[in-house]
Amino acid sequence: QKEVEQDPGPLSVPEGAIVSLNCTYSNSAFQYFMWYRQYSRKGPELLMYTYSSGNKEDGRFTAQVDKSSKYISLFIRDSQPSDSATYLCAMIKGNTPLVFGKGTRLSVIA
Amino acid sequence: ETGVTQTPRHLVMGMTNKKSLKCEQHLGHNAMYWYKQSAKKPLELMFVYNFKEQTENNSVPSRFSPECPNSSHLFLHLHTLQPEDSALYLCASSQDSGGGPRETQYFGPGTRLLVL
Repeated sequence: QKEVEQDPGPLSVPEGAIVSLNCTYSNSAFQYFMWYRQYSRKGPELLMYTYSSGNKEDGRFTAQVDKSSKYISLFIRDSQPSDSATYLCAMIKGNTPLVFGKGTRLSVIA
Repeated sequence: ETGVTQTPRHLVMGMTNKKSLKCEQHLGHNAMYWYKQSAKKPLELMFVYNFKEQTENNSVPSRFSPECPNSSHLFLHLHTLQPEDSALYLCASSQDSGGGPRETQYFGPGTRLLVL
């Protein structure tokens, strides 16, 4: 079983929809969780960073961590065509390097 | 643009060529990373440098040779590459590589490499 699983999509939604992006992980030692957004032909850009279980909100974005289920989510409210990108989850355990998911490709259709 | 820059942005090379990729970070960080990103695969960590010392070499073939002359600059020297090495090569930096929030990484735009 891979350490971090993420459905690669693609996911296509209409403008204004609520988007839910998810990752599961197998190792309970993961403590810090991140979401990156990567536009085509660009490097990943850090969107959200969370530590504890629960929700963290930043504008239209909400990151949710459920450590008991080993499940993290990123919600995007009122999605816009400019949100079309690949979203990568990433997580850290101990002093080992970041582990990334494969990324989910999202298209928001106007 | 982020505080991490990469040059060149695109590179086409033959299998017998030697070329170098350059990364520079303007964030005052102490750790720098090279990643390979291929289609439909997760980001693959290649090398980690922390305070100019290499701390991670993720079983990368010797045709890839990193160099970190100081905390702000990172190079990836390429020679006798194979077509399967064609990918997006990403550089990242973080405060340090000791794990936890200090390892939150910031990425450059990448160099898209095509090996013919």
